[in-house]
Amino acid sequence: DVKVTQSSRYLVKRTGEKVFLECVQDMDHENMFWYRQDPGLGLRLIYFSYDVKMKEKGDIPEGYSVSREKKERFSLILESASTNQTSMYLCASSSVGFGTSGRNEQFFGPGTRLTVL
Amino acid sequence: DQQVKQNSPSLSVQEGRISILNCDYTNSMFDYFLWYKKYPAEGPTFLISISSIKDKNEDGRFTVFLNKSAKHLSLHIVPSQPGDSAVYFCAASLDSWGKLQFGAGTQVVVTP
Repeated sequence: DVKVTQSSRYLVKRTGEKVFLECVQDMDHENMFWYRQDPGLGLRLIYFSYDVKMKEKGDIPEGYSVSREKKERFSLILESASTNQTSMYLCASSSVGFGTSGRNEQFFGPGTRLTVL
Repeated sequence: DQQVKQNSPSLSVQEGRISILNCDYTNSMFDYFLWYKKYPAEGPTFLISISSIKDKNEDGRFTVFLNKSAKHLSLHIVPSQPGDSAVYFCAASLDSWGKLQFGAGTQVVVTP
């Protein structure tokens, strides 16, 4: 059974703290993604990575950085957490090329609900 | 500026009837569209997709229709079942990397 796991389901941090969100996939996927989900806004792409040590900014990268040292692991870093980063964070992975359904769909982890006080 | 819009935040439908979810987009360069389903406390799961060269794709109870001239797609669920109660996200892609633009989601409630 394919799996994307995220290190925490719930996290509470203080303003100014450095926060690490970890994501691991066991499908040998090349692509990995970080989104945040907010009411009324859907999912917005923060960063994605198409290979180890490679990264690209998404639509809302400000205040975030990422690290991908191994193929299976993609970390999202909040350098100095702020209250407006309180959100649900979702990690996803996908393979390159085309699968039986066409362009390969993304597989999502269960999410991390981050609250910044 | 959201390029994919789901203007109905919620939809209530009776079990056995048809659910129709709508999605509009503004970027004519999108060439692939997907629907995801999300239950509470879980990540979204892929439901069905359609390429821009097609106008319909069917998978069991789920059918997606694409109207490129209107920049509109819809998801039909027939018949609706209680297990279909979830949030449905429309998403669109314009590159082979698979980066997606998501809509805000529609909460579907199927009542007995």
